[in-house]
Amino acid sequence: NAGVTQTPKFQVLKTGQSMTLQCAQDMNHEYMSWYRQDPGMGLRLIHYSVGAGITDQGEVPNGYNVSRSTTEDFPLRLLSAAPSQTSVYFCASSYSRSTGELFFGEGSRLTVL
Amino acid sequence: EDQVTQSPEALRLQEGESSSLNCSYTVSGLRGLFWYRQDPGKGPEFLFTLYSAGEEKEKERLKATLTKKESFLHITAPKPEDSATYLCAVQGPQGGSEKLVFGKGTKLTVNP
Repeated sequence: NAGVTQTPKFQVLKTGQSMTLQCAQDMNHEYMSWYRQDPGMGLRLIHYSVGAGITDQGEVPNGYNVSRSTTEDFPLRLLSAAPSQTSVYFCASSYSRSTGELFFGEGSRLTVL
Repeated sequence: EDQVTQSPEALRLQEGESSSLNCSYTVSGLRGLFWYRQDPGKGPEFLFTLYSAGEEKEKERLKATLTKKESFLHITAPKPEDSATYLCAVQGPQGGSEKLVFGKGTKLTVNP
């Protein structure tokens, strides 16, 4: 099993550009989520999904879109990148929404100039 | 509002020097407390779940304990490979995984 796979690992964007961070898991997990991690702050939830076709907003959703067309994939779209979106992004999944035992990907480091 | 405070922010130990990391939390009705390890440039890796005061979990040189207000991660005779940032997260009674509140972490460095 590969677990949770994120691509790309590094990306540099210019302000206003759009891009998609990819996330795939091969554990048949129901729950998937996206977090951002910034220096001096805890992990903050952007969006999450409890199953294919179901998504919802987390703590910091503005400027991001998600979709979940399959159980395996949960891409995160930046619509018009801003310097404030410079961060490390983590995708995480779990077998159930009720647990806090998350499996994280290795992260995607995004820099917006 | 649920809150998690981890201390210290950073801790330097010599190899073999035992110590503890603290996670203080404020949540009405704890559903679960979770410890994670994060290596530089990697995603967090799940270590332990604690559900009720008095509960303890162990894994190699790590032991996690829980009281009604805080959790400790005890590290016994640490080795350099234990160097990492340790994250604590709490889950209250009202929500699922989306309601997890993470602390800022304690960065542990173990010198040989």
